[in-house]
Amino acid sequence: GESVGLHLPTLSVQEGDNSIINCAYSNSASDYFIWYKQESGKGPQFIIDIRSNMDKRQGQRVTVLLNKTVKHLSLQIAATQPGDSAVYFCAENRGGGGNKLTFGTGTQLKVEL
Amino acid sequence: EPEVTQTPSHQVTQMGQEVILRCVPISNHLYFYWYRQILGQKVEFLVSFYNNEISEKSEIFDDQFSVERPDGSNFTLKIRSTKLEDSAMYFCASALTKGAGEQYFGPGTRLTVT
Repeated sequence: GESVGLHLPTLSVQEGDNSIINCAYSNSASDYFIWYKQESGKGPQFIIDIRSNMDKRQGQRVTVLLNKTVKHLSLQIAATQPGDSAVYFCAENRGGGGNKLTFGTGTQLKVEL
Repeated sequence: EPEVTQTPSHQVTQMGQEVILRCVPISNHLYFYWYRQILGQKVEFLVSFYNNEISEKSEIFDDQFSVERPDGSNFTLKIRSTKLEDSAMYFCASALTKGAGEQYFGPGTRLTVT
């Protein structure tokens, strides 16, 4: 069936290095792809989104890349900091009447000092 | 910075009891959502709500679930007769517009059904 999933369940990086978190999706009809960050005991926090007609979007220290050919989404975090340690979810918004988000399974990012 | 708030932070109830989870969305937002996350699993959509009616609901959102916006600020999720498998974190979210991806999530209510 249609799904949004993540390649790596856990990613460990050294502080100051760049992090790349990947996500595969199967629904080509999605309008938006979104990255959320979830810290322990908290709700998902919006990081950045990208519309399906774009390839790249940059935010503060983050970049999202969308490769529609291979149905792949990535989140790049520059100069990773300890505060970036969290679970990262990709999600897709397929539009429609409800505007619901369909989440992937999450990647745990661990930043080592 | 405005934020979505939820109460209570933790609710313990016995199987078969009714629970009401409460949310105060961001004040100028128009679209409201409930999601849940069973421990260790992904976040799952339950229901979306706009203009005082349900826009979309998932298979999880059966007849035991209902939502209401009783006034201009609160948005509630009611589970009429809780089951053990309803134990999860329940997140409320709100959005200003429909088209954009950005939904703001509350901190969640942890529901434990015993």
